[in-house]
Amino acid sequence: DIQMTQSPSALSASVGDRVNITCRASQDIINYLAWFQQRPGKIPTRLIFAASTLQNGVPSRFSGSGSGTDFTLTIRSLQPEDSATYYCLQHKIDPCTFGQGTNLEIK
Amino acid sequence: QVHLQESGPVLVKPSETLSLTCSVPGDIITSYYYNSWLRQTAGKGLEWIGRISRTGRTYYNPSLKSRVTLSVDMSKNQFSLKLTSVTAADTAVYYCARDSISAALYLFDTWGQGTPVTVSS
Repeated sequence: DIQMTQSPSALSASVGDRVNITCRASQDIINYLAWFQQRPGKIPTRLIFAASTLQNGVPSRFSGSGSGTDFTLTIRSLQPEDSATYYCLQHKIDPCTFGQGTNLEIK
Repeated sequence: QVHLQESGPVLVKPSETLSLTCSVPGDIITSYYYNSWLRQTAGKGLEWIGRISRTGRTYYNPSLKSRVTLSVDMSKNQFSLKLTSVTAADTAVYYCARDSISAALYLFDTWGQGTPVTVSS
């Protein structure tokens, strides 16, 4: 299976800050990568697909970049509602696999 | 935004079979080519169980393949999951989600509400 390693596992930031969450794949996945947000007690919702394509309805302060094995989710101008756990997902090769998650706390 | 409706027992006895159904609303069924099942635990995070096409072609996670059966009934717009010989390790929140093996546009863009299933006697 392709291993997806996210970092950091947790971070704390303030409203208005910019944060980066990275995801590294254990082998080349080209751009078969998506990012998800999961607020406490809620279902996961997709933010980004194809590594950098913003899901309809998702604020433009979210962006994704990267290709191959290294990917980044950037959140600019943090808002209180961005407090959540973020996951990356590779779907290049079955079984598709998720990163372990990054817990983002807004101070 | 929840579009899919999951249903099924939330308590299953050890060694028995977990059965869940995912109903897809009519407004998205025409663009619903694949359905996946996933589960989430605090310990293992999000895990993909398997996928089935609307024509019944299946793809399973090798880690669960021996115990999983996916099926589809397009006359009812329903997809089903059966997991046999369950243990406490199968206690999780189970989700269905729209999937795609070609266009990433439909990859896990729509989810069910999540069904918390507990395996306990």
